[in-house]
Amino acid sequence: DTEVTQTPKHLVMGMTNKKSLKCEQHMGHRAMYWYKQKAKKPPELMFVYSYEKLSINESVPSRFSPECPNSSLLNLHLHALQPEDSALYLCASSHPRTGQVHNEQFFGPGTRLTVL
Amino acid sequence: KNQVEQSPQSLIILEGKNCTLQCNYTVSPFSNLRWYKQDTGRGPVSLTIMTFSENTKSNGRYTATLDADTKQSSLHITASQLSDSASYICVVIAAGGTSYGKLTFGQGTILTVHP
Repeated sequence: DTEVTQTPKHLVMGMTNKKSLKCEQHMGHRAMYWYKQKAKKPPELMFVYSYEKLSINESVPSRFSPECPNSSLLNLHLHALQPEDSALYLCASSHPRTGQVHNEQFFGPGTRLTVL
Repeated sequence: KNQVEQSPQSLIILEGKNCTLQCNYTVSPFSNLRWYKQDTGRGPVSLTIMTFSENTKSNGRYTATLDADTKQSSLHITASQLSDSASYICVVIAAGGTSYGKLTFGQGTILTVHP
């Protein structure tokens, strides 16, 4: 299995809702990432987990709460979002090796989030 | 500040024609450079990964070049197909730092192939 899967593909939520995005990979990767991508812009890094521990939080608002229950799963819990949070949310995974040459990140298809 | 600049921003070509996309970067110290293809509403898919010592790398109809001295890379697409219509993103990874490598993304070039 050489792919990263994300669910749901599309999500519409109100500003008072609580929802979760899910990401799964079975490539044995021990680093997992959340990115946010607005239309016609490059992805922006939000969080990095390495060996199930949060390693990087790019000053993301607390209404986004990541969780890594095990080495294959990564969740992003959403609460009290704003309309400007509407975007494509991408998950990625990689081997956290010290040699970065082979540290390719594999991206999932993304979840298209719309906040009303 | 690490930056990656791509040109052109958008490009329209006819099916069967060739095209070349450009990427200039100021990421230092350099580790590797990647070209990704991203279809609308989908995640990026890696086309090539190039290290400091590699000048050219091909993947089917895609050929990437790297000039580490001038810090420039190009992606050449041969005999374009309608399915090549997508955003092409240049990504550069700096050496050192964390072992998982923080990516610096270019803004992308939107390629449209017309029949």
